[in-house]
Amino acid sequence: GAGVSQSPSNKVTEKGKDVELRCDPISGHTALYWYRQSLGQGLEFLIYFQGNSAPDKSGLPSDRFSAERTGGSVSTLTIQRTQQEDSAVYLCASSQNPGTTNEKLFFGSGTQLSVL
Amino acid sequence: AQTVTQSQPEMSVQEAETVTLSCTYDTSESDYYLFWYKQPPSRQMILVIRQEAYKQQNATENRFSVNFQKAAKSFSLKISDSQLGDAAMYFCAYRRNYGGSQGNLIFGKGTKLSVKP
Repeated sequence: GAGVSQSPSNKVTEKGKDVELRCDPISGHTALYWYRQSLGQGLEFLIYFQGNSAPDKSGLPSDRFSAERTGGSVSTLTIQRTQQEDSAVYLCASSQNPGTTNEKLFFGSGTQLSVL
Repeated sequence: AQTVTQSQPEMSVQEAETVTLSCTYDTSESDYYLFWYKQPPSRQMILVIRQEAYKQQNATENRFSVNFQKAAKSFSLKISDSQLGDAAMYFCAYRRNYGGSQGNLIFGKGTKLSVKP
């Protein structure tokens, strides 16, 4: 696609429910990242995919958070038993040449998650 | 652990004037990258400028330039001839160069820039 696409743009859910957030990276980009941006904060790294594998998932805050990527393309971030502190904007980014000096990340517009 | 600090939560500049956004960082590494990202209301993060720590020359991109002071661990962004479209949140970010992906960035909390017509 022309850019990184995320859906839904906004999601309101009740505490305790599970949610799935989707990211469609730019076609051909092998690397994919998830970040979380809480209100008034910078971005917090969650997980990195190279192809379908996740060599770095050190940022996932708890075992309620998981992510997968299939076909080296679409990724889904799942949050189980959502809590109010999970409310944030979840941003996805992709890149074409991870690990190189010239790697450039392209970001999507994020999913605003609100847990009531 | 590395940290990035942006001490100015909000800044304001008159259109066509120059503004400088501050950023300091803390690291024990000698080889790393520094970035400034812009986040407009659309929420999409856009790379403004990048600096490699091993380069002494300050990076420039059109109206955007940085003042990189490695010893002081300071990395400020100067926007010249400010335009209304420059209004956004600006984030300073750090990444150490360990040969892996550049995606594991450490961000500051951001500075909200307003541009007055």
